[in-house]
Amino acid sequence: DTGVSQDPRHKITKRGQNVTFRCDPISEHNRLYWYRQTLGQGPEFLTYFQNEAQLEKSRLLSDRFSAERPKGSFSTLEIQRTEQGDSAMYLCASSPSVRGTRYEQYFGPGTRLTVT
Amino acid sequence: DAKTTQPNSMESNEEEPVHLPCNHSTISGTDYIHWYRQLPSQGPEYVIHGLTSNVNNRMASLAIAEDRKSSTLILHRATLRDAAVYYCILRDVQNAGNMLTFGGGTRLMVKP
Repeated sequence: DTGVSQDPRHKITKRGQNVTFRCDPISEHNRLYWYRQTLGQGPEFLTYFQNEAQLEKSRLLSDRFSAERPKGSFSTLEIQRTEQGDSAMYLCASSPSVRGTRYEQYFGPGTRLTVT
Repeated sequence: DAKTTQPNSMESNEEEPVHLPCNHSTISGTDYIHWYRQLPSQGPEYVIHGLTSNVNNRMASLAIAEDRKSSTLILHRATLRDAAVYYCILRDVQNAGNMLTFGGGTRLMVKP
């Protein structure tokens, strides 16, 4: 399968602990996005990378959140000192960086985080 | 990106056509209309997009009103596998590579 993969698929952690999620995009895709989705809501944008450069960050991305894409391939999203409000599905998506109107994003299956 | 309005939920019978409406009265001239859907326990997937003309692909058809203030996603024969949340999203072509702004979407239920 050459789609977007995310690891782990599920994570249960205690409040105050740090967690890190990994996303492997489709190999030829330059752009990588992180979204967060809470129950019953649509996904909300967190941040996006063009190769290794982090080009945009949402106001939702507090200073407890950090994302990296060190070599322009896989990306990690770390949440420090987790809070119960961080419980959500964290989705990763990638897209090619080509001129045109489509800019279709391909999503991974997500990592479901539960903070107890 | 401009805001869209969709019904919270719709029901359909299997093998019948489904018309999913979307209102976007504040759409600008450079906004493309994109549709994504999210099957249960999966990430969203692209369905179709258009600017002014109606569009067809293997998954669905997109009908766009002449004034572009509304659009309709058409599934020609709904199957049980089409049960999902469908999101209508406007994307400014000048920022087309950037994030998607999802609303609440329409939850489509398909009855056998």
